[in-house]
Amino acid sequence: GQQLNQSPQSMFIQEGEDVSMNCTSSSIFNTWLWYKQDPGEGPVLLIALYKAGELTSNGRLTAQFGITRKDSFLNISASIPSDVGIYFCAGGSSGNTGKLIFGQGTTLQVKP
Amino acid sequence: DAGITQSPRYKITETGRQVTLMCHQTWSHSYMFWYRQDLGHGLRLIYYSAAADITDKGEVPDGYVVSRSKTENFPLTLESATRSQTSVYFCASSDPTGGEGDEQFFGPGTRLTVL
Repeated sequence: GQQLNQSPQSMFIQEGEDVSMNCTSSSIFNTWLWYKQDPGEGPVLLIALYKAGELTSNGRLTAQFGITRKDSFLNISASIPSDVGIYFCAGGSSGNTGKLIFGQGTTLQVKP
Repeated sequence: DAGITQSPRYKITETGRQVTLMCHQTWSHSYMFWYRQDLGHGLRLIYYSAAADITDKGEVPDGYVVSRSKTENFPLTLESATRSQTSVYFCASSDPTGGEGDEQFFGPGTRLTVL
């Protein structure tokens, strides 16, 4: 079946540093989504991308939909302690029952 | 409040017992999903539903049963709980109409422990 490879698995950074994570797939997706999960909570949608090549920002977060439609990256600039959590990418194929394929997640820890 | 809710938030049960996890959404989204989250496996789809009375299996459906008699509710039942079903369960919903149909919105989760 379809799989997403998300990397890195975990990151431990200093407050103020920039962060980059990415997802790749052997399959084409029509949608790339990025979620954040705080401890003990459900994933929350951060950014949704719907066009190949699209670059979208949400505050300090920037995500891009790869030209090949097989990859996406998420950047976080000037990290702060509340950025701690698990970040998931998800790929969707609109019209295919609405199902998403999720990456394994990137666990981010920020040292104040 | 509007949104998606799950109950109970925490549940401890014993092997062999039947357990039902509830999910309720107020957006009238037609699609609803159940996932389980385990260390090392990320989010795995158990069952999903495109509308009331329409359900289908996901990646890991064995040992689970779902029903959807009303659009807003999507209960998940473990007919005879096993220790391997100890996990955190998330419900999600989405609206397939328009260009943002893939965006799923998640509930807060139910942490289930099977002893």
